Amino acid sequence: AQTVTQSQPEMSVQEAETVTLSCTYDTSESDYYLFWYKQPPSRQMILVIRQEAYKQQNATENRFSVNFQKAAKSFSLKISDSQLGDAAMYFCAYRSPSGGSNYKLTFGKGTLLTVNP
Amino acid sequence: EAGVAQSPRYKIIEKRQSVAFWCNPISGHATLYWYQQILGQGPKLLIQFQNNGVVDDSQLPKDRFSAERLKGVDSTLKIQPAKLEDSAVYLCASSLSPYSDTQYFGPGTRLTVL
Repeated sequence: AQTVTQSQPEMSVQEAETVTLSCTYDTSESDYYLFWYKQPPSRQMILVIRQEAYKQQNATENRFSVNFQKAAKSFSLKISDSQLGDAAMYFCAYRSPSGGSNYKLTFGKGTLLTVNP
Repeated sequence: EAGVAQSPRYKIIEKRQSVAFWCNPISGHATLYWYQQILGQGPKLLIQFQNNGVVDDSQLPKDRFSAERLKGVDSTLKIQPAKLEDSAVYLCASSLSPYSDTQYFGPGTRLTVL
């Protein structure tokens, strides 16, 4: 079974600075999807960025980028120029591309990000 | 485009009572998911529907939880009878198809069982 580990329960960053959130996962598959979701106090999970394992190029979405190390099974999220609105719980998630029940997302326990003004 | 709608947003019940949650997915999305998120943890899949059929309910406590998706659109998740450990946020998500790599989440229902 796939597992996702987020080793940082909490992180803090100064506004306008850069922060990196860590995620590791365990899988025996060679192709899969990885995601970072943001969950603000409103509870709605918002997709931040996704990475397809067969793509070597790291995904980027504006101030958000990932460092995907397939061999190390590591998938970290970098937030540049942090803003107060970035404060939230961040979840790393894994999804297999194969059929049946493997379409489900497997989430880590989350990292609570605080942004200090 | 309207997002995933859920109601109620909050519910407080006593143990052994029953409760039901409602979800309306994004229009045209064939796949619907119910997740349970216990405080301090990531969401855990309870059940996945493809149209009105169940794809995966392996982690649904079937002795007390039930779910249906009549007509392949709206879905309801029911707990009967509720236990203290059912206190959690229940998230509904939908995707265009089971092959879609992106799931869109609703705002969730926070359930407190006293």
